[in-house]
Amino acid sequence: NAGVTQTPKFQVLKTGQSMTLQCAQDMNHEYMSWYRQDPGMGLRLIHYSVGAGITDQGEVPNGYNVSRSTTEDFPLRLLSAAPSQTSVYFCASSYSRAYEQYFGPGTRLTVT
Amino acid sequence: GESVGLHLPTLSVQEGDNSIINCAYSNSASDYFIWYKQESGKGPQFIIDIRSNMDKRQGQRVTVLLNKTVKHLSLQIAATQPGDSAVYFCAELNTGGFKTIFGAGTRLFVKA
Repeated sequence: NAGVTQTPKFQVLKTGQSMTLQCAQDMNHEYMSWYRQDPGMGLRLIHYSVGAGITDQGEVPNGYNVSRSTTEDFPLRLLSAAPSQTSVYFCASSYSRAYEQYFGPGTRLTVT
Repeated sequence: GESVGLHLPTLSVQEGDNSIINCAYSNSASDYFIWYKQESGKGPQFIIDIRSNMDKRQGQRVTVLLNKTVKHLSLQIAATQPGDSAVYFCAELNTGGFKTIFGAGTRLFVKA
């Protein structure tokens, strides 16, 4: 199993551009989530999904959209990038709810 | 790898000694707690969890203690090894288990 994969690994955007961060898991997990991690802070939940077709907001959802059309994929869309969205983004999945999540390797995003 | 925290609390221990990492959580209604380990340039990795109806749980070389009276969690690592060097996060799950709230993290440095 590849586990949780994320692409790209690094990305530089200009203010106002949009992009999609990809996340996929091959463990047939129902629960998937997106976090951002900033220096000096723990991870903060952006959005999560408890199954295909079901998503909900986390702690810091503004400026981000998600959808879950399949069990395997959970893309995160930045609608209009801002410098405040410069961060490292992690996707995670778990069999049930947020128990024992498996994290991807992260995407480092810089917005100039 | 990515910088996960420029000003994190740091614990420095000698190889072979025991380590104790402490965490205060915020919500007295939280009923499930997790410790994650994050090595430089990687996503967090599950270490051990504990439910609120327990006050102690042991794993391989690790023990988690929960004191609900003072909302305090600790992670004990026995016979600390250089491979234990990482940032350690405590996390609490909200009621229902759909949202995870991470603490800011503690950096463990193991001296050989």
